[in-house]
Amino acid sequence: GAVVSQHPSWVICKSGTSVKIECRSLDFQATTMFWYRQFPKQSLMLMATSNEGSKATYEQGVEKDKFLINHASLTLSTLTVTSAHPEDSSFYICSAGTTGQGEKLFFGSGTQLSVL
Amino acid sequence: DAKTTQPPSMDCAEGRAANLPCNHSTISGNEYVYWYRQIHSQGPQYIIHGLKNNETNEMASLIITEDRKSSTLILPHATLRDTAVYYCIVTRNTGNQFYFGTGTSLTVIP
Repeated sequence: GAVVSQHPSWVICKSGTSVKIECRSLDFQATTMFWYRQFPKQSLMLMATSNEGSKATYEQGVEKDKFLINHASLTLSTLTVTSAHPEDSSFYICSAGTTGQGEKLFFGSGTQLSVL
Repeated sequence: DAKTTQPPSMDCAEGRAANLPCNHSTISGNEYVYWYRQIHSQGPQYIIHGLKNNETNEMASLIITEDRKSSTLILPHATLRDTAVYYCIVTRNTGNQFYFGTGTSLTVIP
């Protein structure tokens, strides 16, 4: 089956620094990728839709200048958490799939971000 | 996309069938029903999806009612490794946003 690779698996950073998370589709081209965040014991919350070659679409309440998304190729999308603060500590997950009705969406293994 | 309702938690004895219900009463004709599960600290794993007909694969079976307003995911012989949170999602197209509800936390008991 299709594989979505996410890197890094975990990252610890100091408050005020920026962190980049990569999401790759390994055996298919993804025109659309999604980014989620998940707090402990909560469900996944969709943050933004990443579209290849165009600007990402952010969900209501998600700061686009805080969470920069770049989808420069059909196999790679990146999420950069800028000027990270402790409240940004969370589990970030990306997803991608072949777009269409009845197609499948696959998820990366997630990135645990801890901001000190 | 249609919203879904699932029981917050369920228990199942190891080796028995686990039947996880999902209500999607506002589903429209071209929306698919997807099931994913998430084991602690991992990304969601695809299980199965369907439109109208019942579906079966190596992991599970999906039973969709004739009016399509509800569905049931069946794990035929639950094992301890099936302990996870199971999410039912309804969407027209994988290019559209996938919104997760609260899911069902399934605990398989030895």
